[in-house]
Amino acid sequence: QKEVEQDPGPLSVPEGAIVSLNCTYSNSAFQYFMWYRQYSRKGPELLMYTYSSGNKEDGRFTAQVDKSSKYISLFIRDSQPSDSATYLCAMSGDYGQNFVFGPGTRLSVLP
Amino acid sequence: DTAVSQTPKYLVTQMGNDKSIKCEQNLGHDTMYWYKQDSKKFLKIMFSYNNKELIINETVPNRFSPKSPDKAHLNLHINSLELGDSAVYFCASSLGGDYNEQFFGPGTRLTVL
Repeated sequence: QKEVEQDPGPLSVPEGAIVSLNCTYSNSAFQYFMWYRQYSRKGPELLMYTYSSGNKEDGRFTAQVDKSSKYISLFIRDSQPSDSATYLCAMSGDYGQNFVFGPGTRLSVLP
Repeated sequence: DTAVSQTPKYLVTQMGNDKSIKCEQNLGHDTMYWYKQDSKKFLKIMFSYNNKELIINETVPNRFSPKSPDKAHLNLHINSLELGDSAVYFCASSLGGDYNEQFFGPGTRLTVL
């Protein structure tokens, strides 16, 4: 089993749809959970950063962490064509231990 | 102002050559990283430097050698290039040891022929 798994997609949705992106992981020591967005031919950029279990909202984006299930999600409301990118989850233990990226999900939002 | 910059953006070279990729950050960060992103888009950490000292060295061939002349620069030198080295290499930086909030450069696309 890989340490972090993510549906590779591609995921295609119409503009305005709600998008759900998910990661599962196996290391119960992970405490910090991130979502990065990577546009084509660009470097990843941090989108959301959460600690431990719970929800965090930032505009159209909501990150959820369920440590008991080892499952994290990113929801995008009212998706826009500009949201078309690859979304990578990332996670680590305390002090950045075992920091790792998921393989990424490619999202296309169609106008 | 560019926060994390890399040069060159594209690098095409023959097998067996030696090449370097340069990275500079103007964010005042203490920690810098090199990542390799393969054709399947999987992003894997190679090295991490904190204040010019190596703190992570994942299992990469000895042909790869990072060099940090100061905390704003982390260069990657690759000897005896192989076909499998073809990938996009990303430099990143973060404040202190906070791996979680990393700022990435635009990447260097290396093609080995």
